Amino acid sequence: GEDVEQSLFLSVREGDSSVINCTYTDSSSTYLYWYKQEPGAGLQLLTYIFSNMDMKQDQRLTVLLNKKDKHLSLRIADTQTGDSAIYFCAESIRGGKLIFGQGTELSVKP
Amino acid sequence: NAGVTQTPKFQVLKTGQSMTLQCAQDMNHEYMSWYRQDPGMGLRLIHYSVGAGITDQGEVPNGYNVSRSTTEDFPLRLLSAAPSQTSVYFCATVREDTDTQYFGPGTRLTVL
Repeated sequence: GEDVEQSLFLSVREGDSSVINCTYTDSSSTYLYWYKQEPGAGLQLLTYIFSNMDMKQDQRLTVLLNKKDKHLSLRIADTQTGDSAIYFCAESIRGGKLIFGQGTELSVKP
Repeated sequence: NAGVTQTPKFQVLKTGQSMTLQCAQDMNHEYMSWYRQDPGMGLRLIHYSVGAGITDQGEVPNGYNVSRSTTEDFPLRLLSAAPSQTSVYFCATVREDTDTQYFGPGTRLTVL
């Protein structure tokens, strides 16, 4: 079945770049997404990429998609303490359903 | 616009009790979803609806019922609560052209 995998933890220093990685299994996914969840809150859509794109940049965020390897990454430039959160990768499957990864907890140290 | 709202924010139930988690949206999206979030497991799809009168099962539907009588509302019913249903529940609407999901703030449910 469909599956999305992420590493569970990432720790970086303030000002460094963060790279969060994700692998997925469904090669027919039309869109792939990154969501951010702060403690006690719901999921906030950060960005998404259409499956025929290799890269998408949005201010400090860069998404890279390698369809051959089914690998998606999110790079956050100049990471700030306010970026500390859990980041979820997700792929869309048939009819608007999403499959989520387990989430990567990003810790930003001053 | 309120977006997606969920009530209650917190709930404690005893095993065997029933309850309904409410979800409402004012985004005029046809598609709506219910997820549960458990530590280390990400979000898992419980039930799904592509429009009023139409629902479908997700990955973990057992123990939950849904109905969709209007575009705006998509309640989730627990018929006989079990401790395994202790979780955080999120409702979402789906923007159809990009399958982008917009989440409510969540309901934290504890079943004793």
